[in-house]
Amino acid sequence: EPEVTQTPSHQVTQMGQEVILRCVPISNHLYFYWYRQILGQKVEFLVSFYNNEISEKSEIFDDQFSVERPDGSNFTLKIRSTKLEDSAMYFCASCPGWGRETQYFGPGTRLLVL
Amino acid sequence: AQKITQTQPGMFVQEKEAVTLDCTYDTSDPSYGLFWYKQPSSGEMIFLIYQGSYDQQNATEGRYSLNFQKARKSANLVISASQLGDSAMYFCAMRELSGAGSYQLTFGKGTKLSVIP
Repeated sequence: EPEVTQTPSHQVTQMGQEVILRCVPISNHLYFYWYRQILGQKVEFLVSFYNNEISEKSEIFDDQFSVERPDGSNFTLKIRSTKLEDSAMYFCASCPGWGRETQYFGPGTRLLVL
Repeated sequence: AQKITQTQPGMFVQEKEAVTLDCTYDTSDPSYGLFWYKQPSSGEMIFLIYQGSYDQQNATEGRYSLNFQKARKSANLVISASQLGDSAMYFCAMRELSGAGSYQLTFGKGTKLSVIP
């Protein structure tokens, strides 16, 4: 069964460093999302992406964040200069189409900023 | 105001018994979807069940069923015949159409279910 994959599973970085989190969505899906979950808290929407551009972003998704789909399969989230409060689990999700479709989540990348 | 409310931070259930996890939601969008996801201790988010706002019947998926009461804006998850492997966090989420045309999910705070042998 197709699934969303994410790499790395864990990442430790120093404050101020750049990190790139990678996702491979399910191949025929059209909509892509990043969510984050700070430890012990609920999952929060960051950004949605369709047709090679951002559809919507939350207030969390400030200028330090960017997303791209560089090669038609990977979907990346970049954090330019990490802060301590960026420590969280980051989930990628993909969805086959518009409207009633279920979003399927990847296993997550656990980011720790020291 | 919270869009998704899960009032039970933690629940215990005896193995083989049924359990209901509560979820209420708030939206003015006539077309929306409600989801339940399971998050085991390993951290991944596993899709369990979906209910559309226009669906006439309550959704069922194996041992999972969704008790959808539209007028009360509730979408409770019922797990029948609980198993030890059901011990996990359970999140209720809602998909509604945003002003920008995106369909992101809004999650509740979750309920931690513990199944007792």
